[in-house]
Amino acid sequence: DQQVKQNSPSLSVQEGRISILNCDYTNSMFDYFLWYKKYPAEGPTFLISISSIKDKNEDGRFTVFLNKSAKHLSLHIVPSQPGDSAVYFCAASPPGTYKYIFGTGTRLKVLA
Amino acid sequence: EAGVTQSPTHLIKTRGQQATLRCSPISGHTSVYWYQQALGLGLQFLLWYDEGEERNRGNFPPRFSGRQFPNYSSELNVNALELEDSALYLCASSTGHMNTEAFFGQGTRLTVV
Repeated sequence: DQQVKQNSPSLSVQEGRISILNCDYTNSMFDYFLWYKKYPAEGPTFLISISSIKDKNEDGRFTVFLNKSAKHLSLHIVPSQPGDSAVYFCAASPPGTYKYIFGTGTRLKVLA
Repeated sequence: EAGVTQSPTHLIKTRGQQATLRCSPISGHTSVYWYQQALGLGLQFLLWYDEGEERNRGNFPPRFSGRQFPNYSSELNVNALELEDSALYLCASSTGHMNTEAFFGQGTRLTVV
């Protein structure tokens, strides 16, 4: 049972435009969400996180939006750059477990 | 400050053998997580250790085991290797506090032939 889902396996965006990566989760008790970026042959790199008490968190070109009623979060990258081309994973942390459940990832390709 | 380090970077084993993977967390981090990323799949949660104890394990058979040492470093052992165990094994560490991010190592690429 996949508790964290990324339904788009891949996404292509033109350089300078907005990239929107989506993530859905099934457990309304999840209270902390994270986005990671992963290049081939490297470990995932933490990008940005959001607590369930917020609906938006911004860090430079990256903004994460959380819609608790829809159990949906999204990562916006503006403007997209070729160096952003990577696989993006969303993750959720169930309360009290301190572990991280990951989605299957979305491969973003930013076209120059 | 050193990040999470994993060794070896690559490991080739034959079916039926045992593999041991090692992880050193970031200094000050007490929680260590192990994940498996098989080809084309996402990050599958394997094990979580905190303060030397196994706190949670994912849906993997018992031949996947590990331990955490007093210095918080960790080992992942995979016994009776199968071809399907070929994957990238990622270790992550965190402070163990609520709502904090985990930081990943570069992974160990295990190939079973």
